[in-house]
Amino acid sequence: DVKVTQSSRYLVKRTGEKVFLECVQDMDHENMFWYRQDPGLGLRLIYFSYDVKMKEKGDIPEGYSVSREKKERFSLILESASTNQTSMYLCASSLNPNSGHTQYFGPGTRLTVL
Amino acid sequence: ELKVEQNPLFLSMQEGKNYTIYCNYSTTSDRLYWYRQDPGKSLESLFVLLSNGAVKQEGRLMASLDTKARLSTLHITAAVHDLSATYFCAVYGGTSYGKLTFGQGTILTVHP
Repeated sequence: DVKVTQSSRYLVKRTGEKVFLECVQDMDHENMFWYRQDPGLGLRLIYFSYDVKMKEKGDIPEGYSVSREKKERFSLILESASTNQTSMYLCASSLNPNSGHTQYFGPGTRLTVL
Repeated sequence: ELKVEQNPLFLSMQEGKNYTIYCNYSTTSDRLYWYRQDPGKSLESLFVLLSNGAVKQEGRLMASLDTKARLSTLHITAAVHDLSATYFCAVYGGTSYGKLTFGQGTILTVHP
């Protein structure tokens, strides 16, 4: 069975803290994605990675960075957390989209920044 | 820039009724995905539509794609309470590596 796991379901951090969110997939997928989900805005892409050590900015990369040292693991880093980064963060992975492969999502991390 | 709009954003239905959720997008694409999200849960893939005229059905849900009109529909037949969830469409813009652009989501509530 396809599986994407995220390190925490709920996280509470203080403004200015450095925050690490981790995502692991066991499907040998090349592509991995980080989204944030906010009510009424759908999912917005923060960053994605198409190979180890390769990354591309998504639509809202400001205030975030990512790391992909191994194929199965993709980390999202909030360098200095701010209250406007309070959100649900979803990780996803997929095979080659040109073949019509869907994305598989992790359970999400609800981050609150105080 | 690809924009994806769903309507309605909120849908309250009675059990047994039919309804349609619409997904419009702004630039050419022939790949569209529908996902379901239950409260507090993650997104689950429902349908993958890969060409103009594609139609997929599972249970009481049927999805279709009209690439000329840049429109996909998710039709609900004889709704039941178990279909209550948030439904998202997502469009592949043809850029690299599978980047999808999501609609805002439609919150569906089915009442007895």
